[in-house]
Amino acid sequence: AQRVTQPEKLLSVFKGAPVELKCNYSYSGSPELFWYVQYSRQRLQLLLRHISRESIKGFTADLNKGETSFHLKKPFAQEEDSAMYYCALIAGGSYIPTFGRGTSLIVHP
Amino acid sequence: DGGITQSPKYLFRKEGQNVTLSCEQNLNHDAMYWYRQDPGQGLRLIYYSQIVNDFQKGDIAEGYSVSREKKESFPLTVTSAQKNPTAFYLCASSKGQQETQYFGPGTRLLVL
Repeated sequence: AQRVTQPEKLLSVFKGAPVELKCNYSYSGSPELFWYVQYSRQRLQLLLRHISRESIKGFTADLNKGETSFHLKKPFAQEEDSAMYYCALIAGGSYIPTFGRGTSLIVHP
Repeated sequence: DGGITQSPKYLFRKEGQNVTLSCEQNLNHDAMYWYRQDPGQGLRLIYYSQIVNDFQKGDIAEGYSVSREKKESFPLTVTSAQKNPTAFYLCASSKGQQETQYFGPGTRLLVL
């Protein structure tokens, strides 16, 4: 069975600092990986997914199959980035995502 | 901000009572899901449905029931057998396999 680990429950940085939210997974096949974000008083929504290879709101994430990681990065954090971030994996041929437990990012002014 | 809606926003349950949470989507998605969100636990899957008139148990289905009579609707009933129902419940839908999930705004269930 697949597993997604987000080792940090809370990440606190200052505005303008680089930020990296870690996501490690265990799955032997070809996964599809996602980052979802939940801003205060808003619904959970997709931030980015591996297959699209986009940069959204300055965030990027690279799939590292050797390290089985999909870390989320942003070079200069903004206060509006403060939110809860979830990493998720869907195995090949499946509908069902496996979510990590989430990382709360707080960006201080 | 349509897409997927949930009602009510808050729901109060008395001991021994069954309550039903509504979830509706107009995205023409085949798959729908119910999650429970507790602090520090992430999202845990309760039930999912890949197609009308079919649904499967997730990781924490005990004490819950669902139906999928229409493509647009996937209501969740929290039964009296669920001993710890206080949580934030999220409904989601997706187009197909390995696809992005679209989430509703959630229902917070509280026990009186």
